[in-house]
Amino acid sequence: DAKTTQPTSMDCAEGRAANLPCNHSTISGNEYVYWYRQIHSQGPQYIIHGLKNNETNEMASLIITEDRKSSTLILPHATLRDTAVYYCIVRVLYNQGGKLIFGQGTELSVKP
Amino acid sequence: DTAVSQTPKYLVTQMGNDKSIKCEQNLGHDTMYWYKQDSKKFLKIMFSYNNKELIINETVPNRFSPKSPDKAHLNLHINSLELGDSAVYFCASSPDRGGSPLHFGNGTRLTVT
Repeated sequence: DAKTTQPTSMDCAEGRAANLPCNHSTISGNEYVYWYRQIHSQGPQYIIHGLKNNETNEMASLIITEDRKSSTLILPHATLRDTAVYYCIVRVLYNQGGKLIFGQGTELSVKP
Repeated sequence: DTAVSQTPKYLVTQMGNDKSIKCEQNLGHDTMYWYKQDSKKFLKIMFSYNNKELIINETVPNRFSPKSPDKAHLNLHINSLELGDSAVYFCASSPDRGGSPLHFGNGTRLTVT
């Protein structure tokens, strides 16, 4: 079973920041938080991951709370092409050969 | 220059048939995977191979058999297809069997009638 909970759906206005929350209250000390997204009719796409420090790359920023029980993925300037299902996954590094356990994800709709 | 490519993209077949889905990655990765996405959109891992060695085998019926002729290819053979096998099957690869991000193909939509 997935160890994360996310809102089922969210809307965001084009050009605004999209903030996608994720709860992972049972996360263990050696588990990382990963984010993937799946655009309609495509395979999942890796976005970002982190352990306890905030992370930023060219796609997004990841903010992890100090107690690590929740995190937020931030898309700073959402575009229509960011409309997708976003999955938050906790994963032990060097676990079981890369096994990812996907939950239901958040369906983000970016609107003009 | 597709990184992870699957063929065919669509596969429609009748119950009882045997079919194969092919996957190739040109990223030089050591580990490859098969995931299944059912009608409710849940993604579940089926198999994982590292350098042609099976390392993950989830609770999947014996009718499903992965084959890895080399580390760039991981094919999925399905025997005696059933209606419940209808789903989208995704192939993926990663540089290693640890925490590196996975690169997914665009899926094969299998419909069993």
